[in-house]
Amino acid sequence: KAGVTQTPRYLIKTRGQQVTLSCSPISGHRSVSWYQQTPGQGLQFLFEYFSETQRNKGNFPGRFSGRQFSNSRSEMNVSTLELGDSALYLCASFSTGTMNTEAFFGQGTRLTVV
Amino acid sequence: DQQVKQNSPSLSVQEGRISILNCDYTNSMFDYFLWYKKYPAEGPTFLISISSIKDKNEDGRFTVFLNKSAKHLSLHIVPSQPGDSAVYFCAASARNYGQNFVFGPGTRLSVLP
Repeated sequence: KAGVTQTPRYLIKTRGQQVTLSCSPISGHRSVSWYQQTPGQGLQFLFEYFSETQRNKGNFPGRFSGRQFSNSRSEMNVSTLELGDSALYLCASFSTGTMNTEAFFGQGTRLTVV
Repeated sequence: DQQVKQNSPSLSVQEGRISILNCDYTNSMFDYFLWYKKYPAEGPTFLISISSIKDKNEDGRFTVFLNKSAKHLSLHIVPSQPGDSAVYFCAASARNYGQNFVFGPGTRLSVLP
């Protein structure tokens, strides 16, 4: 069974640009969450999608958005990039849409904003 | 305000000995706890979890203990192996908050041969 796939693995963007990151969950998983990892802030929750609906959202500005498609694949978008957006962005998928189940993470997309 | 704390940024243990990683939380609504291991440039890998209705869960060399009254959990690795060297994250969630895991800052474990 293939794991969580995130593309691209690495990305370099300029301040002010926008970026779209992609995540394909494990086959059969309908719930996808996104996290941002930075050295100073650790792993922070961005948002969670289940059956194409955003079910939960973390404390991030509106420049960060996401969506989920009918095949459960998810994208996140960051507009008007700032230097502080440089981070490892991790996607996690869940085996069910119910609570209390472990998340399986992808390898992440390393975004560098210059 | 950090809801999940891992007060030891790093820990060094001799191969074959026990590694004990600690985690404290402040939110009494948390009812599900997990431990993840992370290598550089990779995503976190799930290790073990525990529900708040239990106080211990064991899986091979890994055991997680939960002390609800103290809002404290710990991960025991016995025996420790050099391949266990990684950053370990404690995470917590609450039913009412959906699949929103709150992660601790991590503890870097070094297992010395």
